Amino acid sequence: GNSVTQMEGPVTLSEEAFLTINCTYTATGYPSLFWYVQYPGEGLQLLLKATKADDKGSNKGFEATYRKETTSFHLEKGSVQVSDSAVYFCALAISGGYNKLIFGAGTRLAVHP
Amino acid sequence: DAEITQSPRHKITETGRQVTLACHQTWNHNNMFWYRQDLGHGLRLIHYSYGVQDTNKGEVSDGYSVSRSNTEDLPLTLESAASSQTSVYFCASSVIAGRPDTQYFGPGTRLTVL
Repeated sequence: GNSVTQMEGPVTLSEEAFLTINCTYTATGYPSLFWYVQYPGEGLQLLLKATKADDKGSNKGFEATYRKETTSFHLEKGSVQVSDSAVYFCALAISGGYNKLIFGAGTRLAVHP
Repeated sequence: DAEITQSPRHKITETGRQVTLACHQTWNHNNMFWYRQDLGHGLRLIHYSYGVQDTNKGEVSDGYSVSRSNTEDLPLTLESAASSQTSVYFCASSVIAGRPDTQYFGPGTRLTVL
């Protein structure tokens, strides 16, 4: 079946540190991949996405590259800020799967000054 | 501005009661979804709809129902609330059916079943 696995949190970093949150997936067909972010007390919002192999999604200094050979979509940011503290969800959607999203368990990031 | 709203934001109810959570979107999106969020599970799909009069079961649909009488609303009903349904519920919508597309989420409803 289709599934998403994320690294467990919480991830605790100091401001300006480098961030990596690992995400791997299992899918039939050719999925599109997403990173959503959930700030405290809010709903999820799209951070970035990639729809085919080798595509790089980027937004707000975050990047992720769709690696078909390793079935991965790791999230990176070169210098995190306190305002990046949130829960990050990796997700996939299958073409022809009627836009249903399958989420990972989420990774909580805490950034300290 | 277009938006997606949920009400109530917080609800406490008793086991066995019927509960309805509202979801309203002004994006004019055809697709609407209900998820529940539980620690360690991420978000899991409860029900979804691709248009008026269309509803489909998701991964964890037992004990829940939805109806779609117009484009803007997809209310979620818990027929007989159980403690296992204590969770945070999110509604989402998107434009395009048949291929992956960005979903837009509401702020969530925190439901406690005592």
